[in-house]
Amino acid sequence: EPEVTQTPSHQVTQMGQEVILRCVPISNHLYFYWYRQILGQKVEFLVSFYNNEISEKSEIFDDQFSVERPDGSNFTLKIRSTKLEDSAMYFCASSTIYTDTQYFGPGTRLTVL
Amino acid sequence: GDSVTQMEGPVTLSEEAFLTINCTYTATGYPSLFWYVQYPGEGLQLLLKATKADDKGSNKGFEATYRKETTSFHLEKGSVQVSDSAVYFCALKLSGGSNYKLTFGKGTLLTVNP
Repeated sequence: EPEVTQTPSHQVTQMGQEVILRCVPISNHLYFYWYRQILGQKVEFLVSFYNNEISEKSEIFDDQFSVERPDGSNFTLKIRSTKLEDSAMYFCASSTIYTDTQYFGPGTRLTVL
Repeated sequence: GDSVTQMEGPVTLSEEAFLTINCTYTATGYPSLFWYVQYPGEGLQLLLKATKADDKGSNKGFEATYRKETTSFHLEKGSVQVSDSAVYFCALKLSGGSNYKLTFGKGTLLTVNP
């Protein structure tokens, strides 16, 4: 069964460094999403992406964050200058259309020291 | 704003016990409701969903009924197994254009002992 994959599974970085989290959505899906979960808190929506542009973003998704689909398969989340409070599990998801079920990857745990 | 409230965990049950995980929601429109499950080391998987009032979602012995009058979507299973041990997330998604995001509850950790 097709699945969403994410790399790396765990990323450790120093505060102020840039990180790129990578996702490979399911191949025939058109909508892509990033969510995050700070330890002990809710899973929070960050951004959705369709047709090479952001379709919706939350207030969390400020100028430090960006998303890109650099080729036909990858979908990336970049954090330009990481802060301690960016430490979280980051989930990528995809769906065929925006009304359909979102399928999630296993997540990348980001630790900012 | 829209929100989901789940019962606090962790929940610990013996095998074959009855499971209920409560979920209530607040939404400005008419949401679709979901239960996702996360097994250890894996991503969030859709367990079941319901798109309108009085719909019942079901999968793998789990059920949840969309109750508009009580704004609830409680998850139930008549007889849990050790393999059901996981974190369960209730979520909603508003219908209509420009509504893309899922809004999640905090998750409930279920541990089933043999």
